[in-house]
Amino acid sequence: GQNIDQPTEMTATEGAIVQINCTYQTSGFNGLFWYQQHAGEAPTFLSYNVLDGLEEKGRFSSFLSRSKGYSYLLLKELQMKDSASYLCAVRDSNYQLIWGAGTKLIIKP
Amino acid sequence: IAGITQAPTSQILAAGRRMTLRCTQDMRHNAMYWYRQDLGLGLRLIHYSNTAGTTGKGEVPDGYSVSRANTDDFPLTLASAVPSQTSVYFCASSGSSGSPDEQFFGPGTRLTVL
Repeated sequence: GQNIDQPTEMTATEGAIVQINCTYQTSGFNGLFWYQQHAGEAPTFLSYNVLDGLEEKGRFSSFLSRSKGYSYLLLKELQMKDSASYLCAVRDSNYQLIWGAGTKLIIKP
Repeated sequence: IAGITQAPTSQILAAGRRMTLRCTQDMRHNAMYWYRQDLGLGLRLIHYSNTAGTTGKGEVPDGYSVSRANTDDFPLTLASAVPSQTSVYFCASSGSSGSPDEQFFGPGTRLTVL
């Protein structure tokens, strides 16, 4: 079966760095996405990786290793507004997104 | 309209009733999707449409139907609602040319079936 694993919840301090991991087992691979979802709101697109390596976008970076079925989202200089759930999703061989359950990130002052 | 809209925002429904959730996008995206999101679970695909006039079943299609008469609209119908269909429903669309072709989400419909 297809499976995306991420930690359920993480806590970090304002101004610090946090790494959210995602491991996956899917039928085929056509890219990995990270989305941010604030409580009660819709998911919004953060990043995309299709090749191995690091993609940097301001305070957010995302890494992919296809051979290990592994990705992480790195958030730097954490702000209170970064408190949200972070969703990992893999596009499979049918070009459909398979979603992890999300990681709830709590930022403390 | 800017982006993708859903209606209603929330609804309480008696079991056995028929209900249609509406979704409209103005981005001229070809593909549209319906997901449900339940606590502790990832988004699960109910139905999708790759282009107007075509639809396909996702991971959890039972009890739901969709239609795609035109590019902009993609309604989701529950023929006879059951309590297990209590969930938050998100409509999404994609279709920009090139990579990564990310999905854009509507604000969601919170549905409670009693």
